[in-house]
Amino acid sequence: ETGVTQSPTHLIKTRGQQVTLRCSSQSGHNTVSWYQQALGQGPQFIFQYYREEENGRGNFPPRFSGLQFPNYSSELNVNALELDDSALYLCASSSTSGGPYNEQFFGPGTRLTVL
Amino acid sequence: DAKTTQPNSMESNEEEPVHLPCNHSTISGTDYIHWYRQLPSQGPEYVIHGLTSNVNNRMASLAIAEDRKSSTLILHRATLRDAAVYYCILRGTTSGTYKYIFGTGTRLKVLA
Repeated sequence: ETGVTQSPTHLIKTRGQQVTLRCSSQSGHNTVSWYQQALGQGPQFIFQYYREEENGRGNFPPRFSGLQFPNYSSELNVNALELDDSALYLCASSSTSGGPYNEQFFGPGTRLTVL
Repeated sequence: DAKTTQPNSMESNEEEPVHLPCNHSTISGTDYIHWYRQLPSQGPEYVIHGLTSNVNNRMASLAIAEDRKSSTLILHRATLRDAAVYYCILRGTTSGTYKYIFGTGTRLKVLA
């Protein structure tokens, strides 16, 4: 059983560009959440996808968007990058079978630097 | 979303027990208490969770106050590998979204 994987590991972009980050869920998991973690802070919830639909969103602008595919992998897209978007982006997968309180399994993250 | 309050940092000697406190005075009756930890350069990993009763697993124990307004994560014998940021998180049903609201956590330093 493979865990949650994310790609790329590191990424450098310039202000105004667009970026796509990818996440492969743990086998059997149908829910994916994305978090942004600035240096020295706890992760901040961006949004969650369940069965290919957005299922809740945190306080992030519309330029943060996502997709979930039939195989439950996911993408996070950020348009018009700003300097403050520099952060570690974490993906977490979970299974809703057995109830809504199953633990989330986090990937290692993608470190995005915006210059 | 209910909030949690944790000390910014704590220190422990290796092989001694560690008690990490968390206050959650606005917890609702259906909120579960979850603990995650984040080792350096890694994503957070699950430690333990509970609702009302104390809980034990291979990693740690969770002691929950009778009024549920506070809880304590107990590492019975700290090792150097336990040095991490520990997050106490409340997770409930009101929003219907299975998100975690992280605080800034407690940075645990383990001294050899």
